[in-house]
Order: sequence, then structure tokens, then C-alpha cells
Amino acid sequence: GQQVMQIPQYQHVQEGEDFTTYCNSSTTLSNIQWYKQRPGGHPVFLIQLVKSGEVKKQKRLTFQFGEAKKNSSLHITATQTTDVGTYFCAYSGSFQKLVFGTGTRLLVSP
Amino acid sequence: DTEVTQTPKHLVMGMTNKKSLKCEQHMGHRAMYWYKQKAKKPPELMFVYSYEKLSINESVPSRFSPECPNSSLLNLHLHALQPEDSALYLCASSQLALRTATNEKLFFGSGTQLSVL
Repeated sequence: GQQVMQIPQYQHVQEGEDFTTYCNSSTTLSNIQWYKQRPGGHPVFLIQLVKSGEVKKQKRLTFQFGEAKKNSSLHITATQTTDVGTYFCAYSGSFQKLVFGTGTRLLVSP
Repeated sequence: DTEVTQTPKHLVMGMTNKKSLKCEQHMGHRAMYWYKQKAKKPPELMFVYSYEKLSINESVPSRFSPECPNSSLLNLHLHALQPEDSALYLCASSQLALRTATNEKLFFGSGTQLSVL
């Protein structure tokens, strides 16, 4: 069956440092979504990527979908304390079935 | 209104109790979901409703019983739960995907933190 792993599981950075989380699949993905969950909060949608090699930017966040559509990454430039949380990739397991990756927990120290 | 409202926010119940979790959205979404999330783990899909009909049941034990009374409401009825069922229960809604193997973005409620004693 399809397996999607996120790495790293956890990262602790100093404010101002960059951060990247990777989502890797054993099979081709039709699309990928990214969510952020603050501590004690609920997942909030960030972006959806559909096309091979797609790159999208949201202010300090850059999202990429691999050429083979088997991996994706989220890069944050110059982290801020407000970036703290867990970042999940999510993919279509089947129609209307969104499956979440294992998540990367980000801690940012001031 | 882009909110999904869940009640109660916290629930403590015994293993012999019957309780219900409620979820409401007024975004006109025709797909609604229940996810279960344990601490430091990703959300796990439990049920999906499309057009008020159950379309996905991820082999969830029958002590969890979902109900979709209308297009805005989703309930999860709980009976004879076990302590290992303690978790955050998240409701979400979305537009219906137009094509298979795609998904629309999910809007999540703030969840019900459930403790089973």
C-alpha cells in the first residue's frame, strides 16, 4: 500500500534560521496538500500542489512538488516564533479520502 | 462564515456512558469528515459523508456511530468506549471533489478532547 513519510520528525531552530520538511512517497501522488497545526489547535490548510515540479510561495513559505510527484517539501525562510507547530503533508488515498503524513514538529526559540 | 463548530470542547465519560459529539458548518459543503488524533500523531480518518450519505468507514468499531441529519450537521455517537479511545476528535468539511483521486481542502473544527475513564 501507499506509504508517505515525513522527515524530520522534529526540528528545533533559532529564530531567523531556515527550516525544511520533506514528504516522501513510495508511489506517485495525484496531488498533495500541506496543513499546519499549532500546539493545542487544529489543522489549518496551507496549500495544494497538483502539477509535477510545481512551486508555490506564500510569503516566507515555499512549497514544492517533485518532478516524479513522489515527494514534496515545505521550506520556511527566516523562521519566527509564530511558525511553531506541526506541519503535515496530506495526500489522496482515494476519492474523498485525505490521508495525513506523519508530520514534522517545529520548535522555534527566540 | 468559514467556521466548523464542534461541541463539546472537552468530554470525560465512563466506559458505560453514551454521549454524542456534534459538528456544524454553514459553508454549503457537501462532504463532512470525522478524524481521530492521538497526541503527537497525525489525524486518522474515521468516516466520510458525501451528500449526507456515509461514503467511507475506515473499519471503525461499532461503538462509534456517525450520523448526518442534514447537510450542515454531523454527529458522532459514542457508546461503551474504551480508555484507548481517548483522543482529540476532529470534524472537518469540504467541497466535494470534482474528480476521483483528488481532494478539496478541509476546514477543521477545533475538536473535542475526549477522555474515557
